[in-house]
Amino acid sequence: QQPVQSPQAVILREGEDAVINCSSSKALYSVHWYRQKHGEAPVFLMILLKGGEQKGHEKISASFNEKKQQSSLYLTASQLSYSGTYFCGTEGGDYKLSFGAGTTVTVRA
Amino acid sequence: DAGVTQSPTHLIKTRGQQVTLRCSPKSGHDTVSWYQQALGQGPQFIFQYYEEEERQRGNFPDRFSGHQYPNYSSELNVNALLLGDSALYLCASSLVGGDYGYTFGSGTRLTVV
Repeated sequence: QQPVQSPQAVILREGEDAVINCSSSKALYSVHWYRQKHGEAPVFLMILLKGGEQKGHEKISASFNEKKQQSSLYLTASQLSYSGTYFCGTEGGDYKLSFGAGTTVTVRA
Repeated sequence: DAGVTQSPTHLIKTRGQQVTLRCSPKSGHDTVSWYQQALGQGPQFIFQYYEEEERQRGNFPDRFSGHQYPNYSSELNVNALLLGDSALYLCASSLVGGDYGYTFGSGTRLTVV
C-alpha cells in the first residue's frame, strides 16, 4: 500500500525551512527519501531503518517514528538546488518499496 | 563509476504490440527493481529481481514480465500493449536488502499509440 505524503506542494524563499511528512498504514522496516527534478531520475537522499539507524549523504535531515509509521523530511535553510519533487518510499521487510505521490518543492530567490 | 543504464530512452509502439526494455545496474549492485511512473505521479512498483528470480511483485498484470541475467542486468517485457501502458519506466538497482538506497536510471519513455 502506498504511503501518504503531505503537503502536495510547498513554495519557499531561499533560506526558509520546510517539513514534508510521510505516513504508512503498515508496519515499516525502512523509509527512503528521494528527490526528482523535472525530466531526471529520482536521486537517493536518505534511508531510515527500523531501530533508528540513518544512512544518507545529503545535508537534509529526517526522522522516523516507528510506532506511528511516520517519517518527516526537514529542509533547513533551503537553497535553489532543493527545488524538485520529493518522494518517500516505504518498505515493510518484503522487498517492495512503495512510493507516495510526491511533494513538489519550489525554492525562489 | 557508471550508474544505472537504461535503453532505449524513448520508444513508440502500437496497441497490441510487445516491448522489451533493458537495464544495466550500477557496478556492485545485485538487485534490480522496475517501476512505472505516470506523469505527475510517484513511481509504481512492478517487480524486483534478485539472483535471477522474481522476488516480489506489485499489482501489475501478467502482461508485465521480466528477467535477470547472471551479470545482474535485467529486462522488462510488456505484451499486448494498451494505451494506458504509456509511461516512464524506471529501473533501480541496489545491494540485496536495499539498506543503502536505490540508484535509479533515467528511464525509458514508452508511448503507446
